[in-house]
Amino acid sequence: DGGITQSPKYLFRKEGQNVTLSCEQNLNHDAMYWYRQDPGQGLRLIYYSQIVNDFQKGDIAEGYSVSREKKESFPLTVTSAQKNPTAFYLCASSQPKRGNYGYTFGSGTRLTVV
Amino acid sequence: SQQGEEDPQALSIQEGENATMNCSYKTSINNLQWYRQNSGRGLVHLILIRSNEREKHSGRLRVTLDTSKKSSSLLITASRAADTASYFCATDGQAGTALIFGKGTTLSVSS
Repeated sequence: DGGITQSPKYLFRKEGQNVTLSCEQNLNHDAMYWYRQDPGQGLRLIYYSQIVNDFQKGDIAEGYSVSREKKESFPLTVTSAQKNPTAFYLCASSQPKRGNYGYTFGSGTRLTVV
Repeated sequence: SQQGEEDPQALSIQEGENATMNCSYKTSINNLQWYRQNSGRGLVHLILIRSNEREKHSGRLRVTLDTSKKSSSLLITASRAADTASYFCATDGQAGTALIFGKGTTLSVSS
């Protein structure tokens, strides 16, 4: 079955440490997205990529970095510059070029600073 | 920036009742989408309505869109306990950008 896999499900980060969240899809979707969800805040866009080797900043990109070297993969690195990284991170993909505007989401990674 | 705002923030109903959630947005759109999120899980796409459509149905879901008022509503008929979840509206921005989500409505359906 096609879908999006996020790993790990839970991640703990120490102060000053960089961590990378994995997002892999086998839907052959061109576009991929990273959102952050805090309680009562809804989803906020971190980065998105419409095509391989290209990505754009979202509303809250500071302290995060991404890469899109392969169509299937869009990893998110939470750097030490992100002062409040504790949140639920969601990855999604879509295929707007074929008129498929709905997003398919992964099951999320919960990141906690310890 | 958050384009959509859902209302109410929380809704509690009994099984069998209808649930109505509203979404308001600020700028012009090409389409509006509704998603469901069970606690601690990813979002699931429910329905998409295009800006030139006024109403759309999918099973027990009915979505309306009023572009003149920049608002949409999601009606879930004959609610079940399994409908308990958070519901989000999302709007598209300019072509080639990403969906903007509201803060969601938390629906609780008790049996």
